[in-house]
Amino acid sequence: DAMVIQNPRYQVTQFGKPVTLSCSQTLNHNVMYWYQQKSSQAPKLLFHYYDKDFNNEADTPDNFQSRRPNTSFCFLDIRSPGLGDAAMYLCATSREGRAFNQHFGDGTRLSIL
Amino acid sequence: AQSVTQPDIHITVSEGASLELRCNYSYGATPYLFWYVQSPGQGLQLLLKYFSGDTLVQGIKGFEAEFKRSQSSFNLRKPSVHWSDAAEYFCAVGPDNAGGTSYGKLTFGQGTILTVHP
Repeated sequence: DAMVIQNPRYQVTQFGKPVTLSCSQTLNHNVMYWYQQKSSQAPKLLFHYYDKDFNNEADTPDNFQSRRPNTSFCFLDIRSPGLGDAAMYLCATSREGRAFNQHFGDGTRLSIL
Repeated sequence: AQSVTQPDIHITVSEGASLELRCNYSYGATPYLFWYVQSPGQGLQLLLKYFSGDTLVQGIKGFEAEFKRSQSSFNLRKPSVHWSDAAEYFCAVGPDNAGGTSYGKLTFGQGTILTVHP
């Protein structure tokens, strides 16, 4: 089945140690999104790609970066994770022209030691 | 700025009972409205969406929602709840322009956790 796949499902890293989360899709959607969801909170958009065009939310910390090497893959890099970055990270995709019908992956739960 | 309010943080219903989850939005133009469901440890699944037209929209899993512009509401309903409906439900609003810096941005409510008693 076509879908959005996030790896790993659970990631543990040390305070200050860079970490990369990955997202792949078989839907051939040209828009990809990264959300941060902290416990008992709503998902918060960090940034999104429209094809190769990167759109950063104004309040996304500089600590967070993203790469999209091709249509299928998108990465979230956290350069120096702090304790406050522990959260569920959700990747989503959508098709141009139907930008609001977003398809979500199952997320990566990030823990910081 | 657009915003979404889900007044109920936690709702408990008995299996077979009817359900209504409330959602109020604030938005200057015609909103695009969504309901998503999230089971523990999983991503969000779209239940239904409203863009325009008929104000009563049908979704998956027997859910429906009604858009009421006069009340700025988009409440989710189900006539008979099943134990498998226990999850967290998010209402979201999107911009009505598909371009510019707000392209694709969804604003989510805080979520309502649904517990179903047997």
